Amino acid sequence: DAGITQSPRHKVTETGTPVTLRCHQTENHRYMYWYRQDPGHGLRLIHYSYGVKDTDKGEVSDGYSVSRSKTEDFLLTLESATSSQTSVYFCAIKPGQGLHEQYFGPGTRLTVT
Amino acid sequence: RKEVEQDPGPFNVPEGATVAFNCTYSNSASQSFFWYRQDCRKEPKLLMSVYSSGNEDGRFTAQLNRASQYISLLIRDSKLSDSATYLCVVNPRGRYSTLTFGKGTMLLVSP
Repeated sequence: DAGITQSPRHKVTETGTPVTLRCHQTENHRYMYWYRQDPGHGLRLIHYSYGVKDTDKGEVSDGYSVSRSKTEDFLLTLESATSSQTSVYFCAIKPGQGLHEQYFGPGTRLTVT
Repeated sequence: RKEVEQDPGPFNVPEGATVAFNCTYSNSASQSFFWYRQDCRKEPKLLMSVYSSGNEDGRFTAQLNRASQYISLLIRDSKLSDSATYLCVVNPRGRYSTLTFGKGTMLLVSP
């Protein structure tokens, strides 16, 4: 258990509304990641963070923003949700400087109608 | 060439069979390699890291061929509980440890 929780676990929202997903970790890890997973695409990196207030874009960052104001929380915001953002969103952490493997939270299933 | 390519399957095997999955990657500078397992509607979970010398963990054996940019996973004596999707994962850059995931290979083990 990597001590990662995500909230909400499920959400249905309407096109054009803002949505914020939260990733919370209890073990003070520096690196945190947001992915989306869609059929036919696998897991794709949206944004990642390498410290408080330090974030960078991944391969599918358009339409998403992130914030990390404290070590334990990494927030993903869809400023104006679109149907193409219907997906399963996973948060992950990397446990150490010399290690590259990542551990995932349980996911958030988001549906944009 | 896609960054990480896997045969999507499904691989249908009986219990007790040996099954092998292969994966190719395009970035020759990749540094770290992993196999993850993902059950239906669950998060991916690390199965094993893949080392240059090859490594084994119980019924699972992983091999890396850097010259051919090829990774493999061998599962011996398949169990019903091995049914899942297996993701080949590569760390293409050293800094900040971003990972690139293959789309996965589905394994179905039947009684």
